[in-house]
Amino acid sequence: KAGVTQTPRYLIKTRGQQVTLSCSPISGHRSVSWYQQTPGQGLQFLFEYFSETQRNKGNFPGRFSGRQFSNSRSEMNVSTLELGDSALYLCASSLLTGQRGYTFGSGTRLTVV
Amino acid sequence: GESVGLHLPTLSVQEGDNSIINCAYSNSASDYFIWYKQESGKGPQFIIDIRSNMDKRQGQRVTVLLNKTVKHLSLQIAATQPGDSAVYFCAENGYTGTASKLTFGTGTRLQVTL
Repeated sequence: KAGVTQTPRYLIKTRGQQVTLSCSPISGHRSVSWYQQTPGQGLQFLFEYFSETQRNKGNFPGRFSGRQFSNSRSEMNVSTLELGDSALYLCASSLLTGQRGYTFGSGTRLTVV
Repeated sequence: GESVGLHLPTLSVQEGDNSIINCAYSNSASDYFIWYKQESGKGPQFIIDIRSNMDKRQGQRVTVLLNKTVKHLSLQIAATQPGDSAVYFCAENGYTGTASKLTFGTGTRLQVTL
């Protein structure tokens, strides 16, 4: 069974640009969460989607947004990129919200120059 | 400017020895705890989990202990192997009944020496 797929794996963007990252969850999983990982802050929760609805949101500015489609695939968008947005963005899926077995993808490495 | 990274504690063990990685959590209402392993260039990989109504859970070569009194988790790895070298994170799931969120610890780097 395929795991969580994140695309692209690597991205280089310029300050002020926007970026869209994609996540395809494990087949049948309906909950998708996003996390940001940086050397300075570690792993931090961005948001969780379930059945196309945002269920929870972390402490990030409004420049960070996301959505989930009817097939459970999810995208996150960061607008007006800042140097500090450089990070590994990780997506995790689970069968239902709050359930065991969160499976992470390999992440998208975003570099802002 | 220069960014200051989190200081990851490092545990160095010899191959074949047992490893114990510790973690303190903050939310006494957390119901579910997970240990993840992260290798370089990869996402966190699930190792073992435990619910708050348990004190101990065993898997293959791994054991998780939960002490709710002092809000402490530990991961024990038996007969540590070179392939166990990675960063290990504990995470607590703040499930509200309608939404969940994993809060991760800072991580511990495990180095296995031959």
